[in-house]
Amino acid sequence: AQTVTQSQPEMSVQEAETVTLSCTYDTSESDYYLFWYKQPPSRQMILVIRQEAYKQQNATENRFSVNFQKAAKSFSLKISDSQLGDAAMYFCAYRRLGADGLTFGKGTHLIIQP
Amino acid sequence: DTGVSQDPRHKITKRGQNVTFRCDPISEHNRLYWYRQTLGQGPEFLTYFQNEAQLEKSRLLSDRFSAERPKGSFSTLEIQRTEQGDSAMYLCASSPSDPDGHEQFFGPGTRLTVL
Repeated sequence: AQTVTQSQPEMSVQEAETVTLSCTYDTSESDYYLFWYKQPPSRQMILVIRQEAYKQQNATENRFSVNFQKAAKSFSLKISDSQLGDAAMYFCAYRRLGADGLTFGKGTHLIIQP
Repeated sequence: DTGVSQDPRHKITKRGQNVTFRCDPISEHNRLYWYRQTLGQGPEFLTYFQNEAQLEKSRLLSDRFSAERPKGSFSTLEIQRTEQGDSAMYLCASSPSDPDGHEQFFGPGTRLTVL
């Protein structure tokens, strides 16, 4: 069974600084998808960024980028120029090819200090 | 609003009662997922539909749980004989089937409290 581990229950960063959230996963599959989702307090979950395992190039979306290390099964999220609106729970998620549901980590609570 | 909607948003029930939740996915999405999220945890996959067919069920989905998507549009999740351990946020998500790795769009969830 696939597992996703987020080892940082909580992270704090000063506004405008850069922060990296870590995620590791375990799978025997060679092709799969990885996602970072953001869940603001009392609001619904939204996608931050996604990565296909067969693509070696790291995904980027504006201030958000990932460091995907397939051999190490690591998928970290870097947030540059942190903003107050980035404060949320961040979940790393895995999905194998096909139509399975997502396997989520336990999440990292990101605090932005003004 | 054309996002995923869920009803009700909150449900309080007594142990032993049955409850039913509804999810309306984004209209053109043929994949629909149910997840359960307890406090301080990430969502856990429960079940998945492709159109009206239920294609996968997690071992978390005990016999007291049943889900339907009769016409391939909205879906319902019923919990029979609720237990206090069923208290959680129940999330619904939808996605198109093409491309395969498309993101899932989540609804606001139904928070269930079993007294």
